[in-house]
Amino acid sequence: QQQVKQSPQSLIVQKGGISIINCAYENTAFDYFPWYQQFPGKGPALLIAIRPDVSEKKEGRFTISFNKSAKQFSLHIMDSQPGDSATYFCAASIEGILTGGGNKLTFGTGTQLKVEL
Amino acid sequence: DTGVSQDPRHKITKRGQNVTFRCDPISEHNRLYWYRQTLGQGPEFLTYFQNEAQLEKSRLLSDRFSAERPKGSFSTLEIQRTEQGDSAMYLCASRADSSYEQYFGPGTRLTVT
Repeated sequence: QQQVKQSPQSLIVQKGGISIINCAYENTAFDYFPWYQQFPGKGPALLIAIRPDVSEKKEGRFTISFNKSAKQFSLHIMDSQPGDSATYFCAASIEGILTGGGNKLTFGTGTQLKVEL
Repeated sequence: DTGVSQDPRHKITKRGQNVTFRCDPISEHNRLYWYRQTLGQGPEFLTYFQNEAQLEKSRLLSDRFSAERPKGSFSTLEIQRTEQGDSAMYLCASRADSSYEQYFGPGTRLTVT
């Protein structure tokens, strides 16, 4: 059972454009939603994260929008640059209670972003 | 503050052989996680340590897999009698009790021939 669904699978954006990646979750117990950026051959790097008590969080060119009622959240990359070309993963965990799994992350399937000149 | 380190970065082994990977978490991070990532997929949770105690294991972790974290510092993941289906990137992550943020290492790429 895939608990976090991510789309699109791949995305091509022109330099300077806006990249938008969407995720939907099923488990209403999820209450921490990070985004990770991964370059080929590297481990995922934490980009930005949000908790459901806010609807939007912005850090530099990266913004997370969160819709609790729809159980959806998205990553917006403003002024996309060729250096942003990577695979992006959304994830979710349950933080409100200490579970036996230590608040493990459940990941989406990833979006391969390519920013063209 | 150094990040999470993993060794080796790459491992090629023949089917049936045993392999062991090591993870050194960020110092003072008492939580340590192992994930597995196959090509084109997101990381999948394997197991979790709180200090030296292994508190959860995924169904993905068959009897051929074992993980340890002696003294609550570094961790090892061993795969016995490797199969071609074990070929994947094995990722380690660590986190402090006081934070939600998990930091990943560079991973160990395992290829079973």
